[in-house]
Amino acid sequence: DADVTQTPRNRITKTGKRIMLECSQTKGHDRMYWYRQDPGLGLRLIYYSFDVKDINKGEISDGYSVSRQAQAKFSLSLESAIPNQTALYFCATSDLREVNEQFFGPGTRLTVL
Amino acid sequence: GQNIDQPTEMTATEGAIVQINCTYQTSGFNGLFWYQQHAGEAPTFLSYNVLDGLEEKGRFSSFLSRSKGYSYLLLKELQMKDSASYLCAGMDSNYQLIWGAGTKLIIKP
Repeated sequence: DADVTQTPRNRITKTGKRIMLECSQTKGHDRMYWYRQDPGLGLRLIYYSFDVKDINKGEISDGYSVSRQAQAKFSLSLESAIPNQTALYFCATSDLREVNEQFFGPGTRLTVL
Repeated sequence: GQNIDQPTEMTATEGAIVQINCTYQTSGFNGLFWYQQHAGEAPTFLSYNVLDGLEEKGRFSSFLSRSKGYSYLLLKELQMKDSASYLCAGMDSNYQLIWGAGTKLIIKP
């Protein structure tokens, strides 16, 4: 079984809809991240969490919110989706004891029409 | 500000050697990572350098010069499956990764 899983893997939605992307991990890592990837722009950090009670904004948090329900679960929400949020979204985990190497989930391809 | 620069695209021949360069500027420095990413897939870890010098791992090697803010990834005996994007990322003083846009490597027979 994969260490970091994301659901759904693909989603098509309409402008204005609320969307939740979920991430679960079995690696026992404290740190979790949400990124989006757009062609030619690389990975951009949306939110990150260093433990259950810690949530931090990343480079591009506007229009997004997160919830860290447990050590193993980190959800990303788009309260009112807009077309420029169409992107590939990745969840990642890390542990300082492992030089903070980040392990990525398989990604969610989101299309907002 | 923080910034990672790497070439957008490179082309190489199967069986040859290719070097992908990366220059970085981070607030503090806790290491330099290289990841491989095949189209539509998740990035996967290749290497981590925190001290100056060359780290060799099979066909892949990574070099770091902290004084120059420079790293490179060297791929030897190129295979068609090495066609992918290679992402350079610097870790800043808060242990956050600052990502480059990636170098798309095209391997030709």
